[in-house]
This record gives sequence, structure tokens and C-alpha cells, in this order.
Amino acid sequence: AQKITQTQPGMFVQEKEAVTLDCTYDTSDQSYGLFWYKQPSSGEMIFLIYQGSYDEQNATEGRYSLNFQKARKSANLVISASQLGDSAMYFCAMSLTGTASKLTFGTGTRLQVTL
Amino acid sequence: NAGVMQNPRHLVRRRGQEARLRCSPMKGHSHVYWYRQLPEEGLKFMVYLQKENIIDESGMPKERFSAEFPKEGPSILRIQQVVRGDSAAYFCASSPRLAGADTGELFFGEGSRLTVL
Repeated sequence: AQKITQTQPGMFVQEKEAVTLDCTYDTSDQSYGLFWYKQPSSGEMIFLIYQGSYDEQNATEGRYSLNFQKARKSANLVISASQLGDSAMYFCAMSLTGTASKLTFGTGTRLQVTL
Repeated sequence: NAGVMQNPRHLVRRRGQEARLRCSPMKGHSHVYWYRQLPEEGLKFMVYLQKENIIDESGMPKERFSAEFPKEGPSILRIQQVVRGDSAAYFCASSPRLAGADTGELFFGEGSRLTVL
């Protein structure tokens, strides 16, 4: 069975600074996908970024980038130039290829952006 | 292009009543997934459906919970005889094809928050 670990329950970052949210995963499968979602206080789940296990380059989406280190089984999210609106819960998740988008989520990291 | 639509956004039920949660997937999406989020936890997979078929219900509690995705209309998650432990946010997600996870094409609705008194 796969497992996602997010060891940072809460993080603070100053506006305009970069922040890294940690995520490690555990699976014996070779083919999988890694996701990050943002959940603001309003509660919706917002898709941020996706990395396939066979993708050779780290995924990037605007201010979000995924630092994928396959040998270490880590998939950290980097947010550059933090904004106040980035304050939210952030969830790392994974899905095994062929399991029809059945995601396993971590427990989340609460990010607070300060002035 | 509307996203995944869930209703109601908030639902209050007394113990023993039934709860029905609805999900309309994004246009063009025929794969629907339900997840549950207990307070202060991550989401947990419940069930995966395609039109008129339950494909994977390995995350569904064995009793009182059922899901359907009829040929016409939204997907329904039904909880009979609710108990306080059912209080949670229930999220629906949809993808255009089976390989949604392989391409990142999995999108969530805003969730339905069930409170059982």
C-alpha cells in the first residue's frame, strides 16, 4: 500500500519569500503520479501541480514547482514569491498508474503567509 | 466551462436520518470519485464510478453508505441512518477518462459538509 507523509503541520513564510513544503511517499510501484492540492479556509480543493513518476523534468506551474527526487521518494512543493492569498492547507497526494485516480493523501501542511 | 458541482454545500441531519449528496461532474467527464475528509485530516478515497457502474468501492463503509451514477443526472452519495461519526466534508472529483491520474486531469468540487447532530 502507498503512503504519503507530510511532516510539517504548520509553516510560516513572509510575503514575497519562497517556501518549500515537504512531502515524502512510499510505494513499491514504479509507475505513479504525485499531486499537490491547496485547500483555503473556504474548503474547496484546488489542483496545483502534477508530476508523473517517469517525467524527467520537475513540473512547474506559474509560481509553483515540484522538486521531485525519485531516489529519495520526495516530492516537495516550492512556492516562489509568496502572496497573502497563498495562506491555506496544502495536501500532497499520489496515485498509482492504472488505479483510476484513486488518490492517497497526506495529512496536510497549514501555510500562513505574513506581511 | 463549469467545474465539478456539488450540492448541498452544507447539510445538517439528526442521528438516524438519511443524507443525500449530489455531484455533477465537469462537462465531458464520465468518471466520478467520492472522497471523505474528517476534521483535521486528509481526504480518503471512498468510491469510483462510471455511468451506471461502480468500479471500485473499496473505501466505502460496508453498511449505510451507497453511491450511484445513473445514465442521466448527477452522482449521488447516500448515507442512511447517519451517526455523529459521519460528520465530515464529502468531496466529489471527476476526470475525463480512466487515466486521469496519469495526466493530472482530476478535478474536485467544493465539497459538501455534513453535520450530524
